[in-house]
Amino acid sequence: GQQVMQIPQYQHVQEGEDFTTYCNSSTTLSNIQWYKQRPGGHPVFLIQLVKSGEVKKQKRLTFQFGEAKKNSSLHITATQTTDVGTYFCAGPGGAGSYQLTFGKGTKLSVIP
Amino acid sequence: DTAVSQTPKYLVTQMGNDKSIKCEQNLGHDTMYWYKQDSKKFLKIMFSYNNKELIINETVPNRFSPKSPDKAHLNLHINSLELGDSAVYFCASSPGRSSYEQYFGPGTRLTVT
Repeated sequence: GQQVMQIPQYQHVQEGEDFTTYCNSSTTLSNIQWYKQRPGGHPVFLIQLVKSGEVKKQKRLTFQFGEAKKNSSLHITATQTTDVGTYFCAGPGGAGSYQLTFGKGTKLSVIP
Repeated sequence: DTAVSQTPKYLVTQMGNDKSIKCEQNLGHDTMYWYKQDSKKFLKIMFSYNNKELIINETVPNRFSPKSPDKAHLNLHINSLELGDSAVYFCASSPGRSSYEQYFGPGTRLTVT
């Protein structure tokens, strides 16, 4: 079945440094989504990318979807302690029509 | 105004018991889901359900069964609980109709002793 790989699994950065997490799919995706889960919280939808080569920005967060629609990245500029959490990418492709397959997530720690 | 709510937030029970977790969404969404998140934070889809079809992932034991009294509710019933069922269970919903974004409930932390 479809697999979504995400790296790195963990990332520790000093506050103010940049952070990037990468997502790769074994199959071409119609879209890819990103979620953030704060410690003790639940996943929160951040963004959906649909077009090949698409780039979207949300303040200090930049999301990219690869030209082949098989990979994606999330880049955070000048991390802050509020960025702490686990970032998941997810692509359609479970058994059901709207099921998502989630990557294993990248846990971001920010050292003040 | 909670969009997706779950009860209870915590559930501690003994092996062999049967338990249910309730989920409600007030977003008017067509599709609801149950996920299991283990201690390593891996999110695994268990079920997806809309008013027409139930999709059960093949790895889910048949001790788990979703029950939907109406479009806004998808409850999770678990029979004969095992130690390995301990995890956080998240309910989620999505609009369906070509929109994949999902909205998660706060989660239910299940501990089986």
